[in-house]
Amino acid sequence: EADIYQTPRYLVIGTGKKITLECSQTMGHDKMYWYQQDPGMELHLIHYSYGVNSTEKGDLSSESTVSRIRTEHFPLTLESARPSHTSQYLCASSESGTTYNEQFFGPGTRLTVL
Amino acid sequence: ILNVEQSPQSLHVQEGDSTNFTCSFPSSNFYALHWYRWETAKSPEALFVMTLNGDEKKKGRISATLNTKEGYSYLYIKGSQPEDSATYLCASAQGAQKLVFGQGTRLTINP
Repeated sequence: EADIYQTPRYLVIGTGKKITLECSQTMGHDKMYWYQQDPGMELHLIHYSYGVNSTEKGDLSSESTVSRIRTEHFPLTLESARPSHTSQYLCASSESGTTYNEQFFGPGTRLTVL
Repeated sequence: ILNVEQSPQSLHVQEGDSTNFTCSFPSSNFYALHWYRWETAKSPEALFVMTLNGDEKKKGRISATLNTKEGYSYLYIKGSQPEDSATYLCASAQGAQKLVFGQGTRLTINP
């Protein structure tokens, strides 16, 4: 079983609050990813990182920001949450040098903004 | 961005029956095709990575085939059990870096 963790698992919060979704992995993977999924829809890549101090925006535009100060940690922050941010957020990681980019996923954070 | 489509979106199957569903992806610039199983409240779990045209992979009662020329993959489950209830995701790899996911097939096994 993959060792990738996300906290909190569920979060209900009011509009305007700052939130940080945590993601940690103990596998030493260089690559990490954040996906957003609305109900019944695809997972969309919103951020990724190929190593410490490296972050890139994904295919879906997002108001969130990420940081990668340590290999094992890839938090996602929303400065001012809005109802449109209500969604499920999944974190994943993969090993550098693998040919086909098999990604290991955390269990997700389900965010509801009131 | 690649467009990956899965059908059907949801499926109800009687316990003991066999079933299959489809993942379609652009065949140009194909790199790899991933299948994941995602049970409610758990992490998506990798099932297969498929790369070669004609590939067939098997894991217990679950198997998958790949046709890269026409851009589709089938996932088969033989003798469905309640524990097979999950959402099955496929993802096409854009080079060695990013995955593009379909919307998933939600499978429910009725006892």
